[in-house]
Amino acid sequence: GIQVEQSPPDLILQEGANSTLRCNFSDSVNNLQWFHQNPWGQLINLFYIPSGTKQNGRLSATTVATERYSLLYISSSQTTDSGVYFCAGELQGAQKLVFGQGTRLTINP
Amino acid sequence: EPEVTQTPSHQVTQMGQEVILRCVPISNHLYFYWYRQILGQKVEFLVSFYNNEISEKSEIFDDQFSVERPDGSNFTLKIRSTKLEDSAMYFCASTAGGYNEQFFGPGTRLTVL
Repeated sequence: GIQVEQSPPDLILQEGANSTLRCNFSDSVNNLQWFHQNPWGQLINLFYIPSGTKQNGRLSATTVATERYSLLYISSSQTTDSGVYFCAGELQGAQKLVFGQGTRLTINP
Repeated sequence: EPEVTQTPSHQVTQMGQEVILRCVPISNHLYFYWYRQILGQKVEFLVSFYNNEISEKSEIFDDQFSVERPDGSNFTLKIRSTKLEDSAMYFCASTAGGYNEQFFGPGTRLTVL
């Protein structure tokens, strides 16, 4: 089955810094999503981005489907951005999302 | 904005007991899923459900697990005889169509003692 790898596993930054999180997937996907898991454990949808680029405020994401990776950019980080960021991909013919191990982002004041 | 809801938010049970986790997917969605996340680990797929039947299930989803859509709104996950290793956060998700964005509920934290 598809393998989803995220990097880095941990990232510690100061408030105001920018960050880039990466997601590599081993096969072509028809669905690629980014989530933020908040301190209460809830998965917050950030982007549905099987290809192309999207922006939402300080966050943006780019998926290059032909090269099997996706990037999540966070600009001007705030302490509330802390948490674990997951990407997940869905293979053609599969009826499930496969999640990566996550990147734990810590933003210090 | 429509959202997936789950009840209860936290359930504590004794080993060997049956539990039913409940989900109300977004109303016009057709595909439903259960995922779980053991503390500190990644989210894992359990089962997908479409047209009143299971369309795919993982190795985790053994005979102890079952899913049901008892009416037009609820989607349930039953664990017949819970084990300590079933302790996890269980997420329900739904989507309007294949490969569309999946929307996740807030999760049910199951603790098996």
